[in-house]
Amino acid sequence: QKEVEQNSGPLSVPEGAIASLNCTYSDRGSQSFFWYRQYSGKSPELIMFIYSNGDKEDGRFTAQLNKASQYVSLLIRDSQPSDSATYLCAANNNDMRFGAGTRLTVKP
Amino acid sequence: EPEVTQTPSHQVTQMGQEVILRCVPISNHLYFYWYRQILGQKVEFLVSFYNNEISEKSEIFDDQFSVERPDGSNFTLKIRSTKLEDSAMYFCASRPGQGVQPQHFGDGTRLSIL
Repeated sequence: QKEVEQNSGPLSVPEGAIASLNCTYSDRGSQSFFWYRQYSGKSPELIMFIYSNGDKEDGRFTAQLNKASQYVSLLIRDSQPSDSATYLCAANNNDMRFGAGTRLTVKP
Repeated sequence: EPEVTQTPSHQVTQMGQEVILRCVPISNHLYFYWYRQILGQKVEFLVSFYNNEISEKSEIFDDQFSVERPDGSNFTLKIRSTKLEDSAMYFCASRPGQGVQPQHFGDGTRLSIL
């Protein structure tokens, strides 16, 4: 069974704070990992992806991957109210499996 | 920026009827996907398609479902005899080619089965 688990939240942080989103996956064959943002009623929008152990930074976003622990995370620095959305973690091994998403609210 | 386009945006169909959802992937992309998302639930993989054949499919993608690339641009999902539980958002996605490349999603088709 290829499962991707996320804390469903909701996660609430004040504006300007760091939001930390976590994800674990069960399929050790997964080769690449993606973070998508989904606003209510909209399609998933890619934030970033990672496939090597360690950190990958893109602007205010940092993805972290630990394959030994089967763990992926996303840090959002200087959180803005516009970051309020559901964040989807996905693991890819020929097919892409999504977690249920973590709902993030950034309060002004 | 190139986009994946899906039509229609909303489809209402009577239970038992056939429905075809249409997608136009980004033009130079080679891998195509269908996902569904039942309201309030997670995005679920249905099928991937490459080189004019299915490369992977999930347990959801049973005999009621089929995919086709009838011409050089369209990628379709057909549900033969719809059931109430097929009501969901259906997303099409595509990506360029080999290697680690992200999938780009269309805006989705909301399918409502009555």
